[in-house]
Amino acid sequence: SYVLTQPPSVSLAHGQTAMITCKGDHLGSKNVHWYQQRPGQAPVLVVYDDSDRPSGIPERFSGSNSGKAATLTISSVEAGDEADYYCQVWDHSSDHWVFGGGTKLSVL
Amino acid sequence: QVHLVESGGGVVQPGRSLRLSCAASGFTFSSFAIHWVRQAPGKGLEWVAVTSVDGAETYYADSVRGRVTISRDNFGSTLHLDMHMLRSEDTAMYFCARDPSGSLYDELDVWGQGTMVVVSS
Repeated sequence: SYVLTQPPSVSLAHGQTAMITCKGDHLGSKNVHWYQQRPGQAPVLVVYDDSDRPSGIPERFSGSNSGKAATLTISSVEAGDEADYYCQVWDHSSDHWVFGGGTKLSVL
Repeated sequence: QVHLVESGGGVVQPGRSLRLSCAASGFTFSSFAIHWVRQAPGKGLEWVAVTSVDGAETYYADSVRGRVTISRDNFGSTLHLDMHMLRSEDTAMYFCARDPSGSLYDELDVWGQGTMVVVSS
């Protein structure tokens, strides 16, 4: 089955730029979506189709996807960005949706 | 406003059955594919199942296939998840989520708040 790999955690200071990676075979040929989940809340879509932003999501959130890795970039991180972030793709070979294991972002 | 509201969770003994429901409002339910996604306590998100706009196509995660059935009532704008032969590893928060297009393959743009299922004797 298809596997997406994310780092378990990313820590950085307020105002820095966070880059959260998501790795998988031939990932560049798939559409990658990213979700933010704050503690005790439902996930929220923050980036879809590799790099598009839903309405209401700040421009500080951006995405890219090439080769075997996709990246969610959050510029000028704030305390409110502390959350778990998940990447997701649809694997056509199995007709399964796949989530990465999630990355906990901590803002120091 | 667009809303998804899950219900039906609770404490159930291993081997028993449970039906979860997801009530939709604020959009034309019959035009969107809908997914179930679950999250075990302290763990990550796990996709469970999806149904097409008319219910003709359904797909399941390997972990639940054969024990779970996803269905929809477009007249009542409601999604269901019938779960059988429940196991302790099915303990999780269950979310329903909308695919914003008519296909099964896009992002999930609206999520419910979830309903908790605990499988325990």
